[in-house]
Amino acid sequence: GAGVSQTPSNKVTEKGKYVELRCDPISGHTALYWYRQSLGQGPEFLIYFQGTGAADDSGLPNDRFFAVRPEGSVSTLKIQRTERGDSAVYLCASSFGGGLQETQYFGPGTRLLVL
Amino acid sequence: AQKITQTQPGMFVQEKEAVTLDCTYDTSDPSYGLFWYKQPSSGEMIFLIYQGSYDQQNATEGRYSLNFQKARKSANLVISASQLGDSAMYFCAMRETYNNNDMRFGAGTRLTVKP
Repeated sequence: GAGVSQTPSNKVTEKGKYVELRCDPISGHTALYWYRQSLGQGPEFLIYFQGTGAADDSGLPNDRFFAVRPEGSVSTLKIQRTERGDSAVYLCASSFGGGLQETQYFGPGTRLLVL
Repeated sequence: AQKITQTQPGMFVQEKEAVTLDCTYDTSDPSYGLFWYKQPSSGEMIFLIYQGSYDQQNATEGRYSLNFQKARKSANLVISASQLGDSAMYFCAMRETYNNNDMRFGAGTRLTVKP
């Protein structure tokens, strides 16, 4: 029973470049979440998928950030024209459903560094 | 407005003793869920315990228990018989029914268990 996996584990890029971060949720989990965790802070909600559709993208900071989940399993978070302020750990989580009490299971995160 | 407040940036506890990590929250939603997660230095968020706002009893999971005081809007985590492996960051989080896809986290408390 594999947990949530994320690739790459670390990504170093230059300011202005485009990056893609991948998340493989637990098999059978319909809900998928992306969070961003800056140093010394708790995770900050970015976007929530229920199946293939983005049920809530209110946490995306601006239009440089976009995420997809075309087949309802793997999701990709895409960041265009990266800025130094985008440097953070990007966490993905999945849960069986999107209900209030559903436990979210987190992946190990992708540590993004924008130089 | 800050929804989740963890006032202890760092805590120390002697091995085998109990420790309480504080969490207060702010919501006007009568139906909500409270979560505690552990984040070791490896970075992965590990689910510990859940408390629903309508649950009559305080939640317990092994050495973890949640001291839920609804009127005071507090949900403190109690770890009994601390172990060296308990040293980590601990995050309190809340989900609200009207916005049940947005998990809001506190800033966290760093717990250090001393031998």
